[in-house]
Amino acid sequence: EVRLVESGGGLVKPGGSLRLSCAASGFTFKNAWMSWVRQAPGKGLEWVGRIKSRVDGGTVDYAAPVKGRFFISRDDSKNTVYLQMNSLEMDDTALYYCSEGRSYFDYWGRGTLVTVPS
Amino acid sequence: SSVLTQPPSVSVAPGKTASITCGGNIVGGRNVHWYQQKPGQAPVVVIEYDSDRPAGIPERFSGSNSGNTATLTISRVEAGDEADYYCQVWDSTNDHPYVFGSGTKVTVL
Repeated sequence: EVRLVESGGGLVKPGGSLRLSCAASGFTFKNAWMSWVRQAPGKGLEWVGRIKSRVDGGTVDYAAPVKGRFFISRDDSKNTVYLQMNSLEMDDTALYYCSEGRSYFDYWGRGTLVTVPS
Repeated sequence: SSVLTQPPSVSVAPGKTASITCGGNIVGGRNVHWYQQKPGQAPVVVIEYDSDRPAGIPERFSGSNSGNTATLTISRVEAGDEADYYCQVWDSTNDHPYVFGSGTKVTVL
C-alpha cells in the first residue's frame, strides 16, 4: 500500500522559515518524481514544486510565487522528500500536500497545515 | 501564466448526467487529468490521460478532450459524487509544468 505522510507544518510568523517532510512507503521512491501541492483555505489546488528522480536528473522546478523562497530536496536513503520554506508570507497559508507522479499526481498524502498570520 | 478555466459550480439531480468543462490554450494537444476532492480529504484521480479510468473508479466517470476543451462526464450521478473536481495539465516544456484548473463544485440536488 502506498503511503505519503507529511509533517512539519505549524504556525510561523511572516518572514519565518519552516521545513516540511514527506515520508513515503509502498513504492520505489528513488524512481519517483515528487511534488508539493498546496491548497489555501477554501481555495483550489496550486502546484508548488517538483523534484525528479536522480536517474532522471534530479531537476527541481518551482511555481513562480515561491521561486527563490522555497527549496525541494530528497533523501532516497530515507524515502523522504522535503520542502524548505523561507521568507514566509501570509499568502503561503495553506494545506501542503506531498504527491507522487510524473504527468499527473497518482498518490497524495493527507497534508500538513502551514499558517502564516497577518 | 497558463490558465485552465472551469465552471465554478454544476448542479445535477440524482440519476442524471453532470458535465464539467476545462478550457484553455494549454489544453490543446496535451493530456488532461481529473481529480475528485471531497471535503476534508486529499484529491483522488478519477480520469487520467483524457479518458482512462484508474482502477476502482466507477464506469460512470468518463472523459474526453478535443481542441482546447476537455470534459469530465459523470453519468447516473449519485449523492456520493458531490465533491470538488479539478482538471490538470502537464506541460513538460514549461518551467511551470503542472497547471490545475480553477475547480468545479458539483452539487447533487
